[in-house]
This record gives sequence, C-alpha cells and structure tokens, in this order.
Amino acid sequence: GENVEQHPSTLSVQEGDSAVIKCTYSDSASNYFPWYKQELGKRPQLIIDIRSNVGEKKDQRIAVTLNKTAKHFSLHITETQPEDSAVYFCAASIFNNDMRFGAGTRLTVKP
Amino acid sequence: EAQVTQNPRYLITVTGKKLTVTCSQNMNHEYMSWYRQDPGLGLRQIYYSMNVEVTDKGDVPEGYKVSRKEKRNFPLILESPSPNQTSLYFCASSLNRGSGYTFGSGTRLTVV
Repeated sequence: GENVEQHPSTLSVQEGDSAVIKCTYSDSASNYFPWYKQELGKRPQLIIDIRSNVGEKKDQRIAVTLNKTAKHFSLHITETQPEDSAVYFCAASIFNNDMRFGAGTRLTVKP
Repeated sequence: EAQVTQNPRYLITVTGKKLTVTCSQNMNHEYMSWYRQDPGLGLRQIYYSMNVEVTDKGDVPEGYKVSRKEKRNFPLILESPSPNQTSLYFCASSLNRGSGYTFGSGTRLTVV
C-alpha cells in the first residue's frame, strides 16, 4: 500500500517568513494529494489539494507543488501569520481509496 | 448546515464492552472513512466506504467493524475494545472520487 513520509516534524518561523513542508509517497499510481490543517483541539480541515495532472496550484498565500517523477509534493506558505500555527498533514491516494496521511508537521509562527 | 456528525464526543469504557461510535453526514457524500489519530503517528485509516454496502479495510482495521447500510451513516463498531484502542477517532466524508474529506469533530475514546 501507499506510504507517505512528511518532513520536518516541527517547523518554527518568524512572522512574515515562508514555510515549506515536504512529503514523499511510494505508490506511483497515487493521483490525489490533499493538505490538511489541524488547529489545537479541532478537526483537520482541507486547505488545498492537487491532482496528478497538475504541477502546481496556488490559493492566496498557500501553494502546493507536485513532482510525479520524484514522487514528492510540497506545501508552501508565504508571509506567515500567527494564525497559521497548527499541525499540517499531507496525504496521498488513488482518488479517495485508502488515503494515507503523513505523520504531520507542527508549524509555529512567532510574532 | 453541511456537516459530519459524530457521537459521542468523549467515551470512557472498560475492556471488552462492545461500543458503537456513530457517524452521519448530511451532504449526500459517496465516500466515508474512519481514522484514528495517535501522537506521532498522524491519521491512520481504519475502514473506508465508496458507497452503500461497499466497504474496505484501511491501514489498521484489526479490532474494528463498520457497516454502510445507508448513504448518510457509517458507524464504527468495537466488538471487544482493548486499551490499545484508546485514541482520537475521526469520521470523514467526501463528495466523490478525488474530492477532499470533510471531517467530523472527533471522538476521544479511552479504554481502561
């Protein structure tokens, strides 16, 4: 089955800096790659996703890139703000079957 | 309001006492799934369902059962809970293939 690895496990940045979280996956058939944000004590929420026919997708301050050849994808957050502090999870699946999540990255944005 | 509703939010039970965690969605979603979340391990899929009467095992199905008799409901059953099933459980649903999941509020289960 699919195996997703996520790095780093913790990330601390100054407000206004950029943050990058990287994930690798093992199954070349995976075609759907969502990212979720989980604030303390709350449920994970979808923030952006990308499909295998697209190399990059942007939504305001967040962007995701996908390299199918290398089987890795990344989340980029620019101009970070304290409210971006949360745990971020990447995931990979063949459509929604058997979606596997990374272990998570705890992002702290210092004011 | 479109949502995924899980009950109960908190549950403390004893080893071996059967329990059911209910999950219901009001968005007419095809896909539903159960995950458990443990520190350092992220979200691990227990079971998922692509439609009514269609279910399949995820990464950690041992000790759990599910059923999908109606599109909106996807209960998680622990026939004989054990302490290693103490965890935070999330139900999630998505409209169709290739759509992101909407998660429920979670159920914190403690088995003593």
